[in-house]
Amino acid sequence: KQEVTQIPAALSVPEGENLVLNCSFTDSAIYNLQWFRQDPGKGLTSLLLIQSSQREQTSGRLNASLDKSSGRSTLYIAASQPGDSATYLCAVRQETSGSRLTFGEGTQLTVNP
Amino acid sequence: NAGVMQNPRHLVRRRGQEARLRCSPMKGHSHVYWYRQLPEEGLKFMVYLQKENIIDESGMPKERFSAEFPKEGPSILRIQQVVRGDSAAYFCASSPSLGTGRNTEAFFGQGTRLTVV
Repeated sequence: KQEVTQIPAALSVPEGENLVLNCSFTDSAIYNLQWFRQDPGKGLTSLLLIQSSQREQTSGRLNASLDKSSGRSTLYIAASQPGDSATYLCAVRQETSGSRLTFGEGTQLTVNP
Repeated sequence: NAGVMQNPRHLVRRRGQEARLRCSPMKGHSHVYWYRQLPEEGLKFMVYLQKENIIDESGMPKERFSAEFPKEGPSILRIQQVVRGDSAAYFCASSPSLGTGRNTEAFFGQGTRLTVV
């Protein structure tokens, strides 16, 4: 059974700091990994999708890496801003168990002005 | 191209009533997934549907819950005889039908927040 873990559970940083969010998964037989952002009381916004054959993806100040063999992914946020405050979720799509996504519990990020 | 549309956004039901949640996938998407987010918990998979077919319902509670995705119209998640423990945010996601669908991105709706009183 796939398990996804995100560390830390919560993170508070001053504005302008670079930061790294971590995601690990127990079953490396995945098709892809997706990072989402969730604002309080809102839905999920897809940030980055990394295919299993890729090592990293970049979008603006965000960079996500994937090490499939070791079951790890990181989300790097450069020059953080108060508007980045949200919960960040990592999810993997497995080769087995159909096409479902298995989510981590999330990292709650607060960027202080 | 409108995103994944869910309605209602908020739903209040008394214990024992039925709750019906709707999801219209993005245009061109034929894969629909339902997830549930209980208070202070992560998102858990419930069911995966394609048009007129339930592909994987291994995450659905055995009783009171059902889902459908008819040939025409939105996908429906139905909860019969709701109890307080059903209070949660229910999210729908869709993916396009290209290839196997497994290497494609999932897009989520804004969710329906069900409160059982």
